[in-house]
Amino acid sequence: EPEVTQTPSHQVTQMGQEVILRCVPISNHLYFYWYRQILGQKVEFLVSFYNNEISEKSEIFDDQFSVERPDGSNFTLKIRSTKLEDSAMYFCASRGDRGSYEQYFGPGTRLTVT
Amino acid sequence: AQSVAQPEDQVNVAEGNPLTVKCTYSVSGNPYLFWYVQYPNRGLQFLLKYITGDNLVKGSYGFEAEFNKSQTSFHLKKPSALVSDSALYFCAVRDSNRDDKIIFGKGTRLHILP
Repeated sequence: EPEVTQTPSHQVTQMGQEVILRCVPISNHLYFYWYRQILGQKVEFLVSFYNNEISEKSEIFDDQFSVERPDGSNFTLKIRSTKLEDSAMYFCASRGDRGSYEQYFGPGTRLTVT
Repeated sequence: AQSVAQPEDQVNVAEGNPLTVKCTYSVSGNPYLFWYVQYPNRGLQFLLKYITGDNLVKGSYGFEAEFNKSQTSFHLKKPSALVSDSALYFCAVRDSNRDDKIIFGKGTRLHILP
């Protein structure tokens, strides 16, 4: 069964450094998402991406964040200058076409900012 | 604004007994409702969805959920619990008239006692 994959599984970085989290969505999916889950808290929406552009973003997704689909398979989340409060589990998700409703999630990348 | 409430932090059920995990929601339009399960160190796995039609929907691993429009609820159920059902369960909603993002509840930890 096709799966969303994410790399790395765990990333440790120092405050102020740039990080790039990588995702490979399910191959024929058209809609892509990033969510995050701070330890012990809810899963929160960050951004949705369709047709090579952001379709929606939350207030969390400020100028420090960016997303990109550099080729036909990868979907990346970049944090330009990490802060301690960016420490969280980051989940990538994808959805098929307009007629599909459920999002399929990857296993997540645990980001630790020290 | 969209929201999801899961009133129980933890539910304990004896193996073989029926289980219910509660969820209520609030959206301005028609809801698309989902249940996801998270096992330790794993991502979110899709269990089932309600989009339209029959109020009782069936999903993976013998789970089902009942949509109740008047009570704005979407409780997850299973007739006979297994120890392997022990995990963190998330209810989620998407407003069909609005955004693409999914709003998650805080999660309910289901503990099946052998």
